[in-house]
Amino acid sequence: NAGVTQTPKFQVLKTGQSMTLQCAQDMNHNSMYWYRQDPGMGLRLIYYSASEGTTDKGEVPNGYNVSRLNKREFSLRLESAAPSQTSVYFCASIPFWGRRGETQYFGPGTRLLVL
Amino acid sequence: LAKTTQPISMDSYEGQEVNITCSHNNIATNDYITWYQQFPSQGPRFIIQGYKTKVTNEVASLFIPADRKSSTLSLPRVSLSDTAVYYCLVGDIYNQGGKLIFGQGTELSVKP
Repeated sequence: NAGVTQTPKFQVLKTGQSMTLQCAQDMNHNSMYWYRQDPGMGLRLIYYSASEGTTDKGEVPNGYNVSRLNKREFSLRLESAAPSQTSVYFCASIPFWGRRGETQYFGPGTRLLVL
Repeated sequence: LAKTTQPISMDSYEGQEVNITCSHNNIATNDYITWYQQFPSQGPRFIIQGYKTKVTNEVASLFIPADRKSSTLSLPRVSLSDTAVYYCLVGDIYNQGGKLIFGQGTELSVKP
């Protein structure tokens, strides 16, 4: 049981390049999230997927797209990277609603540097 | 969405009890209060969760008054390894995985 995994761990992009950040969970969780964390700052929600087949915008969705490929995988795409998107990106998942005592599980993060 | 407010930073010494308060004046009926701990270069880690009154586990206690407009995370006898950022999260975590927004967090520094 690997929990929440993210790839790549680190990426350098040039302005205007595109890339996809991958996230997968093996806990059969329904909901998945993408957050970004800028240096010295808190986490900001980019997009989330309450269940397979649905996605919704968070606080800072501009410049990003997401795909909930299946129940396990939730990817984040930067179509045209900008230096302002330099950040650490965290994926998280949560079990099906109604299960008391459960909470979000976070992946190890992807560090993205846009030059 | 319930907005949260926490102190930006706190200092403590080893062995002391630390209390971090989070304000959430517009908390909704279905919202739960969850606290996370984050070390540098790592994802947040669950500490404790509650709905009302007091909850205690092996690492912390969570105090929630009757009006639920605030909550206090209590860390007993902190050590250097408790130096981290602590986040209070308020949300309807059980409603189809709703929109879960973090506040700015409290940076706790524990000194010897």
